[in-house]
Amino acid sequence: GESVGLHLPTLSVQEGDNSIINCAYSNSASDYFIWYKQESGKGPQFIIDIRSNMDKRQGQRVTVLLNKTVKHLSLQIAATQPGDSAVYFCAEIYTGANSKLTFGKGITLSVRP
Amino acid sequence: DGGITQSPKYLFRKEGQNVTLSCEQNLNHDAMYWYRQDPGQGLRLIYYSQIVNDFQKGDIAEGYSVSREKKESFPLTVTSAQKNPTAFYLCASSISITYGYTFGSGTRLTVV
Repeated sequence: GESVGLHLPTLSVQEGDNSIINCAYSNSASDYFIWYKQESGKGPQFIIDIRSNMDKRQGQRVTVLLNKTVKHLSLQIAATQPGDSAVYFCAEIYTGANSKLTFGKGITLSVRP
Repeated sequence: DGGITQSPKYLFRKEGQNVTLSCEQNLNHDAMYWYRQDPGQGLRLIYYSQIVNDFQKGDIAEGYSVSREKKESFPLTVTSAQKNPTAFYLCASSISITYGYTFGSGTRLTVV
């Protein structure tokens, strides 16, 4: 079946370093992608999104890269801070009729002080 | 402030009882969703609704029921037929199915 997956279950980075979280997707028809951040005991929060007509999008300290050729999505966090510690989910959707978001399993980002 | 509110935050249920989780949004979103999250797992879709008085089953609808009588509200009932109901339940809404979702803060249900 088609699914969204993440390469690594956990990522540990030093405070101040850059973080890169990777995600593979298998539905070549997907045309909209979102990264969410979930802190412990809370609901996921939207971080950044990208549509398939783009390959890069930047936000505040975050950048999402999309490589449609290899069906790969990544989230880059610059100057990682302790407050970035959370579980990160990628999600994909084909924005056709009756589609809905499909979420990856999530990766835990742990920031070392 | 516009947002999506789930209540209660924690819920305990005895085996064999039905329980209803509340989800209310004032974002004027047409679409609403219920997800289940188990420890170390991703989000699994239970039910979703694209418009009032209409809803569809997600991937794990067995043992759950929903209603969508008002645009603002999408309550989820966990019935006694759900064999393993202990989980973290998340409600979300979106302007339409082609936009990103706004999530509530979740309800943690424990069967005792």
